[in-house]
Amino acid sequence: DARVTQTPRHKVTEMGQEVTMRCQPILGHNTVFWYRQTMMQGLELLAYFRNRAPLDDSGMPKDRFSAEMPDATLATLKIQPSEPRDSAVYFCASGFTGIGYSQPQHFGDGTRLSIL
Amino acid sequence: EDQVTQSPEALRLQEGESSSLNCSYTVSGLRGLFWYRQDPGKGPEFLFTLYSAGEEKEKERLKATLTKKESFLHITAPKPEDSATYLCAVQATPISNFGNEKLTFGTGTRLTIIP
Repeated sequence: DARVTQTPRHKVTEMGQEVTMRCQPILGHNTVFWYRQTMMQGLELLAYFRNRAPLDDSGMPKDRFSAEMPDATLATLKIQPSEPRDSAVYFCASGFTGIGYSQPQHFGDGTRLSIL
Repeated sequence: EDQVTQSPEALRLQEGESSSLNCSYTVSGLRGLFWYRQDPGKGPEFLFTLYSAGEEKEKERLKATLTKKESFLHITAPKPEDSATYLCAVQATPISNFGNEKLTFGTGTRLTIIP
């Protein structure tokens, strides 16, 4: 089965350091999503792209977070500088969507981020 | 603002003991309601999409149903391997041709099946 691949699976770093998380979406999917999951808030959408163009990043703290899609096979989420409150599991998901229709989102297994 | 509330937060059942999980939602216009299963240390795994009130979908021991205000995930004669957190999410109808792919998730029901 095709899967969304996320790297790294785990990341521990100190406050103030830059963190980069990577995602390889399922081949053929045109929409990529970034979510954050915490015990308190559950799953929250941070940003998403269709055909590599950012469509909605309203869930993302703009001052320290940035999301990009350098090409169709790679999405990145960066945090600079990182803070302890950023500790969470970050999920990437991909799907095929268009005007008037969308297929279910398929998730990777996440990056578990701990900021000390 | 779209909202999803799942109950109960946690449920422990004996193997073979059937039950239902609830997902109540408020959304301006429902485009789709999604059920996912999440195992510890893994990402959510897609189970079902429901689009309109009265719709039902089944997969093995699971059956999802939808009304205008809530969805139920019925689990019949569960087995220990059904233990997981079950997440419900809604997608609102887009207000323009631009589209809306955002999913709003509930906090999940943690299901434990005891052998």
